[in-house]
Amino acid sequence: GAGVSQSPSNKVTEKGKDVELRCDPISGHTALYWYRQSLGQGLEFLIYFQGNSAPDKSGLPSDRFSAERTGGSVSTLTIQRTQQEDSAVYLCASSPPGLPYNEQFFGPGTRLTVL
Amino acid sequence: QQQVKQSPQSLIVQKGGISIINCAYENTAFDYFPWYQQFPGKGPALLIAIRPDVSEKKEGRFTISFNKSAKQFSLHIMDSQPGDSATYFCAARGQNFVFGPGTRLSVLP
Repeated sequence: GAGVSQSPSNKVTEKGKDVELRCDPISGHTALYWYRQSLGQGLEFLIYFQGNSAPDKSGLPSDRFSAERTGGSVSTLTIQRTQQEDSAVYLCASSPPGLPYNEQFFGPGTRLTVL
Repeated sequence: QQQVKQSPQSLIVQKGGISIINCAYENTAFDYFPWYQQFPGKGPALLIAIRPDVSEKKEGRFTISFNKSAKQFSLHIMDSQPGDSATYFCAARGQNFVFGPGTRLSVLP
């Protein structure tokens, strides 16, 4: 079966531009997570969705970051007015129904470079 | 309180040797401790996980040892193979998942 997919795989943008990153979770997975992985660093939690609602947005680093999920499936992470420090790999993961923070299945990530 | 510390940052092991990666935490509310394996250009994949009521869990060549009183847990890879060369992350689940900074393992042929 298909795993978690993310697009684009790579994104290069200029400082100040807005970017949208997309995540397609595994079919039937109700929970969806966004993480940021900077070079040589661990994963930084950004936001968690259960269905279309986001009970935990605590990791979003600033109001330039927002995310939405529609139809309990696809999610979009939007970064407005990008800064160079936003350069990182953005990872999406999904989990099947059950306890929150159940086993997470990760996508390959989107590598964002802000020039 | 929410951090998970991980060491070493990098590790080089000969083929057939034992790789050991250590993690430590402070938050006693953490209730689930997974290890993830990540190859370059790929997302992390769950390798093995343990709950705090168990002191050891073994799956094939991979073993987690858990010391609840010391708030430490470790991953042991027995008979390490070049194909095990990857970055390994420990994590802990509380209100959300907290990840260690990762250990880059290189297994020499």
